[in-house]
Amino acid sequence: DVKVTQSSRYLVKRTGEKVFLECVQDMDHENMFWYRQDPGLGLRLIYFSYDVKMKEKGDIPEGYSVSREKKERFSLILESASTNQTSMYLCASTVLAGVYEQYFGPGTRLTVT
Amino acid sequence: TQLLEQSPQFLSIQEGENLTVYCNSSSVFSSLQWYRQEPGEGPVLLVTVVTGGEVKKLKRLTFQFGDARKDSSLHITAAQPGDTGLYLCAGAPFYGAGSYQLTFGKGTKLSVIP
Repeated sequence: DVKVTQSSRYLVKRTGEKVFLECVQDMDHENMFWYRQDPGLGLRLIYFSYDVKMKEKGDIPEGYSVSREKKERFSLILESASTNQTSMYLCASTVLAGVYEQYFGPGTRLTVT
Repeated sequence: TQLLEQSPQFLSIQEGENLTVYCNSSSVFSSLQWYRQEPGEGPVLLVTVVTGGEVKKLKRLTFQFGDARKDSSLHITAAQPGDTGLYLCAGAPFYGAGSYQLTFGKGTKLSVIP
């Protein structure tokens, strides 16, 4: 079974803190994605990566950065957390070709106070 | 920009009833995927439909891909409380299109009342 794990299920941070969210997949997938999910807005793509050290902006990259130093690991960084970044963060991975079925982690519920 | 419209947004039904959820777009997709997400968890892939007109069954769930590959439906027969969750559809790009991103609908939140 494909497994995507995220470093934390719940996280509470203060405004201005630097926040690291980590995602690890064990299926040797090339593509990895970070989304945020908010009620009424659905899943919104923040960043994705199709190879080590490669990254592409998604629809809402402002306030975020990413790092992919190893194929299995994709990190999302909030440089200076703000209250409007309170959200559910989901990581996903997929193979580079085919039907692009995405496998999601369990999510991190981040609250910024 | 590709969009996927899901309807209805919310659905609350009694156990044993049937329901259909729709996913529509003006864009053509190479495949269409359905996910179910339970509260506080990540989405889990249910099925992928690839061929226009394709019908796939997963126990009481029936998935159909439109002939023109622009729309899909999910039909649940005799809904059970365990079917409760957020159902997401997602369209995949064609290989070689230069994109690996899925286009997600906003979801249908289903509540099945015992």
